[in-house]
Amino acid sequence: EVQLVESGGVVVQPGGSLRLSCAASGFTFDDYAMHWVRQAPGKGLEWVSLISWDGGSTYYADSVKGRFTISRDNSKNSLYLQMNSLRAEDTALYYCAKDIAGIAAAPYYFDYWGQGTLVTVSS
Amino acid sequence: QSALTQPASVSGSPGQSITISCTGTSSDVGGYNYVSWYQQHPGKAPKLMIYEVSNRPSGVSNRFSGSKSGNTASLTISGLQAEDEADYYCSSYTSSSSYVVFGGGTKLTVL
Repeated sequence: EVQLVESGGVVVQPGGSLRLSCAASGFTFDDYAMHWVRQAPGKGLEWVSLISWDGGSTYYADSVKGRFTISRDNSKNSLYLQMNSLRAEDTALYYCAKDIAGIAAAPYYFDYWGQGTLVTVSS
Repeated sequence: QSALTQPASVSGSPGQSITISCTGTSSDVGGYNYVSWYQQHPGKAPKLMIYEVSNRPSGVSNRFSGSKSGNTASLTISGLQAEDEADYYCSSYTSSSSYVVFGGGTKLTVL
């Protein structure tokens, strides 16, 4: 059974930093690209970032480019999101999602999702 | 404002069919057959229901179907059931720098 378990969400002050983690199991982690997708409270889904199976290719939404960094450790079956210079508008539930493919190229379909970890940016 | 436009809400009675539209541009929905649909129940993670415009993943009921015409994609649910009540999001690849865009979501109410 595929499982994705996010962690690391907390309350952080504007301008602060945070690192989210996603532990994967039930599939061959290093065969697939992975994504972070977020959902602000009561709002819709927003794609955040993508990393290829080997970590060699990474992509970001304009809203987080230059502030967030996606990475992965295939030896630990783990995905990460380093979040710097956090803003109030980054407040959201952050989901880790598995792509159906390994390369970081279109199309992008998310066939498994975690339950999310909540990041709140507030003073 | 979301990149893809969906109606905020739709409703239908059990057994009926409903269609949710998703309108984009030639840079996303209209330019590629890379549209997907996700179902999200309250407090739950999204679930992939349709990919590549009209393909269903294994385990998804054949009551769910997808189509596309021009810049508008559609999700049709036939034989509505109470368990179909949820939020539905469309998504598409985009040739802009955003890579992936979502619609704003549609709340389906089964009357």
